[in-house]
Amino acid sequence: QSALTQPASVSGSPGQSITISCTGTSSDVGSYNYVSWYQQHPGKVPKLMIYDVSQRPSGVSIRFSGSKSGNTASLTISGLQAEDEADYYCNSFSTSSTRYVFGPGTKVTV
Amino acid sequence: EVQLVESGGDLVQPGGSLTLSCAASGFTFNTHWMSWVRQAPGEGLEWVATIKQDGSQKFYMDSVKGRFTISRDNAQNTLFLQMDSLRAEDTAVYYCGRGAGWWDVWGQGTMATVSS
Repeated sequence: QSALTQPASVSGSPGQSITISCTGTSSDVGSYNYVSWYQQHPGKVPKLMIYDVSQRPSGVSIRFSGSKSGNTASLTISGLQAEDEADYYCNSFSTSSTRYVFGPGTKVTV
Repeated sequence: EVQLVESGGDLVQPGGSLTLSCAASGFTFNTHWMSWVRQAPGEGLEWVATIKQDGSQKFYMDSVKGRFTISRDNAQNTLFLQMDSLRAEDTAVYYCGRGAGWWDVWGQGTMATVSS
């Protein structure tokens, strides 16, 4: 059972914006700006999309943005495209015995 | 080209051992924390272990503490994961990743299957 919670699925039409939530506690998301997001297409390697809550690595589309409020972090995908259809995982540093915790993943359908 | 290439995955019986390797190239290996992250078939990602640049600090997920050992050889640009007392629930694709807390470079993964 993941320490972070994410919706199992989110869907949207091409061109729309969607937001994926990642809810933790004051032991992880709420107290540290060490939240990252990963995109994984079926059978492929995970790809870093956002780190430190809202930082975008070089090469990642500006359509992807991250934010945080309290114990909940969010990933927003704007101008949804067919290629965005994938699983998305959040991760946070945690002061629990599990130092880095992942969410269960959210399947995005376009 | 920045690259991580894992190897060593295999089929092993419960209680057995396996050593995974991750060869790094294209970047200065000894300046980066390194980690292992796994993914069981059809499941999500799970952080396993992380090691500091010089190997002086190591962190593990609870269920592998005392059974898995992360190490590195900076002269050979290689990361290792020694896995002992393997259980069926350790069956997964094991990825090595560059970093600690967020991972910007991932290997292609190596499959470890624990089954009798």
